[in-house]
Amino acid sequence: SQKIEQNSEALNIQEGKTATLTCNYTNYSPAYLQWYRQDPGRGPVFLLLIRENEKEKRKERLKVTFDTTLKQSLFHITASQPADSATYLCALVLSGGYNKLIFGAGTRLAVHP
Amino acid sequence: DTAVSQTPKYLVTQMGNDKSIKCEQNLGHDTMYWYKQDSKKFLKIMFSYNNKELIINETVPNRFSPKSPDKAHLNLHINSLELGDSAVYFCASSGRAGGRTDTQYFGPGTRLTVL
Repeated sequence: SQKIEQNSEALNIQEGKTATLTCNYTNYSPAYLQWYRQDPGRGPVFLLLIRENEKEKRKERLKVTFDTTLKQSLFHITASQPADSATYLCALVLSGGYNKLIFGAGTRLAVHP
Repeated sequence: DTAVSQTPKYLVTQMGNDKSIKCEQNLGHDTMYWYKQDSKKFLKIMFSYNNKELIINETVPNRFSPKSPDKAHLNLHINSLELGDSAVYFCASSGRAGGRTDTQYFGPGTRLTVL
């Protein structure tokens, strides 16, 4: 069956450390993978997109890797801050068809001062 | 100015009632979406419209009927509400229907509670 799995447990880290979140998928062939941030009571906000032929993408303190052999994406936040505390969602966009996002359940990140 | 807005933000109603949620975007986008986020936090696409034409219609009970009067508006009408319809419903928009790298912009969500 098709699945997208993110760490179901919350990730707690100290301020200044690097947070690493995992997204694994099964029986999908995504053309793109996106990461979103969702704060409580709000809609998701787009952070980064990575293509299937890209290994790594960076934006300021954020870095995403995409390994289509392992069927895994890693999302890193360096020099984390309490303001980074939120739920982070990965989403697949499949080859062909329209811009349909298939989301994982998200991982809650808590950055402690 | 809010890019994607939804009304109402909260909706509490009895089983069996009919209700509507409205969405408007002022981004000039061609494509709009409805997503449902259940209690387990999975966000699942329900429908998508491109320029008033339905282009994505997932396996959703036919009690749910989207309507797009113009490309800036997408409404969701739900008939005969059931307990399992309780969830947060998000509207989103993006530039182009076929633009699979286009960012989707989400509204603030409507929390529907069916009693």
